[in-house]
Amino acid sequence: DAGITQSPRYKITETGRQVTLMCHQTWSHSYMFWYRQDLGHGLRLIYYSAAADITDKGEVPDGYVVSRSKTENFPLTLESATRSQTSVYFCASREQNSYEQYFGPGTRLTVT
Amino acid sequence: GNSVTQMEGPVTLSEEAFLTINCTYTATGYPSLFWYVQYPGEGLQLLLKATKADDKGSNKGFEATYRKETTSFHLEKGSVQVSDSAVYFCALTPHRSNDYKLSFGAGTTVTVRA
Repeated sequence: DAGITQSPRYKITETGRQVTLMCHQTWSHSYMFWYRQDLGHGLRLIYYSAAADITDKGEVPDGYVVSRSKTENFPLTLESATRSQTSVYFCASREQNSYEQYFGPGTRLTVT
Repeated sequence: GNSVTQMEGPVTLSEEAFLTINCTYTATGYPSLFWYVQYPGEGLQLLLKATKADDKGSNKGFEATYRKETTSFHLEKGSVQVSDSAVYFCALTPHRSNDYKLSFGAGTTVTVRA
């Protein structure tokens, strides 16, 4: 299916475990983004990528790692999950010459 | 820096009522402005956009006009439906080649009752 997909949609993990959230887009958009959404904080940018092999930190990067070996994929890894990382995570993408971002359906992550 | 301020709500309306959600922004230069909508359990969907002063974005009966003089981008709909119940986010992105980030408002929860 065309568009931007995220997997898993729901994940429960334990403190200290590593977990990877996947994001895949079929538009060949240059830019990709990871946000987290928390009550009282709105949406905050974790990491973004301008192209394959180019990534940069957003507002709240601590505890997260990203990679982008292919244009269409942008996985987000929590190296050692903490309870404060319980959140809903959204991936987004954007064309090179446009300003709007398109969002995936989100992954709800619970860290126990 | 860039920031967006919008009324937080919650806003509760009856069907066919008029909806306004205020949004003001602070930005360097003249950014692009957006309204996104998030239905329960879903991701954010782009509702409408405006890229320069006096542009009017419209979609699904919603409208917003880019007002440079008041740095505002208020969202309006003349007659809401129950299906418009959602969280609405105002957002901006600057027109700078090295700044790709969206700055969001806190979101406004709208509930429309039949």
